[in-house]
Amino acid sequence: GENVEQHPSTLSVQEGDSAVIKCTYSDSASNYFPWYKQELGKRPQLIIDIRSNVGEKKDQRIAVTLNKTAKHFSLHITETQPEDSAVYFCAASMTGGGNKLTFGTGTQLKVEL
Amino acid sequence: DGGITQSPKYLFRKEGQNVTLSCEQNLNHDAMYWYRQDPGQGLRLIYYSQIVNDFQKGDIAEGYSVSREKKESFPLTVTSAQKNPTAFYLCASSTSGLAGLEQYFGPGTRLTVT
Repeated sequence: GENVEQHPSTLSVQEGDSAVIKCTYSDSASNYFPWYKQELGKRPQLIIDIRSNVGEKKDQRIAVTLNKTAKHFSLHITETQPEDSAVYFCAASMTGGGNKLTFGTGTQLKVEL
Repeated sequence: DGGITQSPKYLFRKEGQNVTLSCEQNLNHDAMYWYRQDPGQGLRLIYYSQIVNDFQKGDIAEGYSVSREKKESFPLTVTSAQKNPTAFYLCASSTSGLAGLEQYFGPGTRLTVT
């Protein structure tokens, strides 16, 4: 089955700096890669996603890049703010087969003032 | 926070007791999922259902059971066979097919078994 690895497990940045979180996946058939943000005690919420026919997607301060050849994808957050502090999860899925998501182990991002 | 709901928010049980977690959605989604979340780990899939009266095991189904008698509901039973049931349980739903990859999560149920 699919295996998703996520790094780093913790990330601390100064407010205004950029943050980058990286994930690798094992199944070349995976074609959908979402990123979820989870605040303490809350539900995960989708912040951005990318499909395998696109190499990059941007939404304001958040961007995701995908390298299908290397089977890795990354989340980029620019101009970080304290409210960006949360746990971020990457995931991978393949169309069909129940559209199951396989999640990475998460990155605890802390934005310091 | 409407759309997909879970109850209760906190649940306490004694070892050896079965317990059922509720998950309801009014999004008209065909597919529903149950995940378990432990500290420092990602979400792990327990069971999923793509359509009423059908469900499949996920990666960690042992000690759990589900039913899908209605489109809106996908209850999860944590049985006494589950060795480490204390965890945060999340339910999710999505549409089916190519458009169904985005999953919407409920608020979760934190189960503590002592």
